Amino acid sequence: GAVVSQHPSWVICKSGTSVKIECRSLDFQATTMFWYRQFPKQSLMLMATSNEGSKATYEQGVEKDKFLINHASLTLSTLTVTSAHPEDSSFYICSAAPGFPGNEQFFGPGTRLTVL
Amino acid sequence: QKEVEQDPGPLSVPEGAIVSLNCTYSNSAFQYFMWYRQYSRKGPELLMYTYSSGNKEDGRFTAQVDKSSKYISLFIRDSQPSDSATYLCAKSTPNKLVFGAGTILRVKS
Repeated sequence: GAVVSQHPSWVICKSGTSVKIECRSLDFQATTMFWYRQFPKQSLMLMATSNEGSKATYEQGVEKDKFLINHASLTLSTLTVTSAHPEDSSFYICSAAPGFPGNEQFFGPGTRLTVL
Repeated sequence: QKEVEQDPGPLSVPEGAIVSLNCTYSNSAFQYFMWYRQYSRKGPELLMYTYSSGNKEDGRFTAQVDKSSKYISLFIRDSQPSDSATYLCAKSTPNKLVFGAGTILRVKS
């Protein structure tokens, strides 16, 4: 149980294009989903928190117009990197939390984005 | 001071050794703690979560919380090369997890 999928697993795009990443909780309903960014050999950096049907809460320093998050249902959240640039190249990981008992999060396998 | 402090290592041990991974934390208002394992280029995998002080065991893994000293530990018995990964401790808050830096573990055969 507690499986989270992420699609695509890797993507290469040209500078200036937009990229959408999907995150799905496959066998549970997620009250909250999270989006992280991870640079090589570094820990996870929380970008934003989203609850189904409401606007995402972005961490300080994260551009909400750059990283659009939509939480359409209790099992699906999407992250769109708009007008991507090479500095947006990174490993993006989503997680989903069923909300009980201790707010543990279950992570997707990650998406490696490379912007040329 | 970071909310969760963790030595990034790397920690290198021979196969079969007992591994001890540690974190310290502050702001203990919400006291769920988790350990995640992350292989290279993969998402973190939840290994264990604990609440309050004491030990929790699952197979070769034991998670320990000492609230008095604000110290959390993960012990791995009979370590295997397949245990080589980055281990992340995390403290739960009402809204999100706060992660340590992650400790790189290398188990040599």
